[in-house]
Amino acid sequence: AQSVTQPDIHITVSEGASLELRCNYSYGATPYLFWYVQSPGQGLQLLLKYFSGDTLVQGIKGFEAEFKRSQSSFNLRKPSVHWSDAAEYFCAVGVGTNAGKSTFGDGTTLTVKP
Amino acid sequence: ETGVTQSPTHLIKTRGQQVTLRCSSQSGHNTVSWYQQALGQGPQFIFQYYREEENGRGNFPPRFSGLQFPNYSSELNVNALELDDSALYLCASSYPGQNYGYTFGSGTRLTVV
Repeated sequence: AQSVTQPDIHITVSEGASLELRCNYSYGATPYLFWYVQSPGQGLQLLLKYFSGDTLVQGIKGFEAEFKRSQSSFNLRKPSVHWSDAAEYFCAVGVGTNAGKSTFGDGTTLTVKP
Repeated sequence: ETGVTQSPTHLIKTRGQQVTLRCSSQSGHNTVSWYQQALGQGPQFIFQYYREEENGRGNFPPRFSGLQFPNYSSELNVNALELDDSALYLCASSYPGQNYGYTFGSGTRLTVV
């Protein structure tokens, strides 16, 4: 069975600093990987996804993620964090080609200091 | 794009009762998935419906059941509620095909007392 680990429960960065959120996955075949963001009381918004091809994927809101098969990782990055980026971030792996049957990590809460 | 709408937004039920949660997807979204998100955890896949048929189920007991309707709406029903069923329930829908992402609703917060 697939699994996702987000090692950092909570991260605090200063506004304008760079950000990297870690995600490690376990899946027997080529994974379909996703990053979502969730603001308090809201549903999840898809930031970016990796299906195949270029291992560096660009998403919305200035986020990018790099797929590293050798490390089973799919880390999320942003060069300069804005206060509005404070939220909870979830990494997920889809079952086969079905993104709707995803397994999620437990999330990383991002706090942005002024 | 009209998005995904869930109702109600909040609900309080008593242990042993039954509850129905509703999701309205946008036109053309004939695939809908339901997730349970307990406090402090990531969403857990409950089941998926495609063209009104169940298309996969996670590790949830049969008292969790669903329906999908031709008008792109769906329901999650939970019988014999337990305290541990308290969670945020999310539905997510999509067009068919792997290249389409899923649009999530804002969820229904269910509290079982």
